[in-house]
Amino acid sequence: QSVLTQPPSASGTPGQRVTISCSGSSSNMGIYTVNWYQQLPGTAPKLLIYSDNQRPSGVPARFSGSKSGTSASLAISGLQSEDEGDYYCSAWEDSLDGPVFGGGTKLTVL
Amino acid sequence: QAQLQQSGPGLVKASETLSLTCTVSGVSLRSYYWSWFRQSPGKGLEWIGYVYYSGSANYNPSLKSRVSISIDTSKSQFSLKLNSVTAADTAMYYCSRDRGNWGSDYWGQGTTVIVSA
Repeated sequence: QSVLTQPPSASGTPGQRVTISCSGSSSNMGIYTVNWYQQLPGTAPKLLIYSDNQRPSGVPARFSGSKSGTSASLAISGLQSEDEGDYYCSAWEDSLDGPVFGGGTKLTVL
Repeated sequence: QAQLQQSGPGLVKASETLSLTCTVSGVSLRSYYWSWFRQSPGKGLEWIGYVYYSGSANYNPSLKSRVSISIDTSKSQFSLKLNSVTAADTAMYYCSRDRGNWGSDYWGQGTTVIVSA
């Protein structure tokens, strides 16, 4: 049982826009920002979005994040086949003084 | 550009100690947290703990009684030790540079650790 809640799966066709949701609580997303990771098959996680909506250098602008209260979303526009993989949301957890994660959303490009 | 290179055995016997090292290049260990995570087969990510460059550490309570993370700034390395392992500790283990609230921006390549009977 993950601390943050994500849908287990999402899908879209090439060129479409898809969104992945993430919900938390007052002890994590309610007071800290949200980060998103992309994990392509057989690879390590990659930081995709940090601080709710900031993209690290090299991450395409078609990836965007937003947050309101204890809910957040990752949006991917202009979906491409190479976007297929797992996406995880994460936030700092006050009680742990460490990060917690969602269970991950498997994105399929149809 | 930071690079994190993991090393350590991929097979550990049950009840023994899992030991992994992460060697950092391209950046200083100063002023960051350095974390370990794991991912059980087909499962999500679990934070194990972090060590600060000063040597202070914090661990996930679910593993706290069995885990130790240390840092050697002179060698640009930090290490994970998990004792009394069981089959439940079989997982892919990752090290990372952790910016706390801002997430982990550099990751090691991952080490598959299998706990054998």
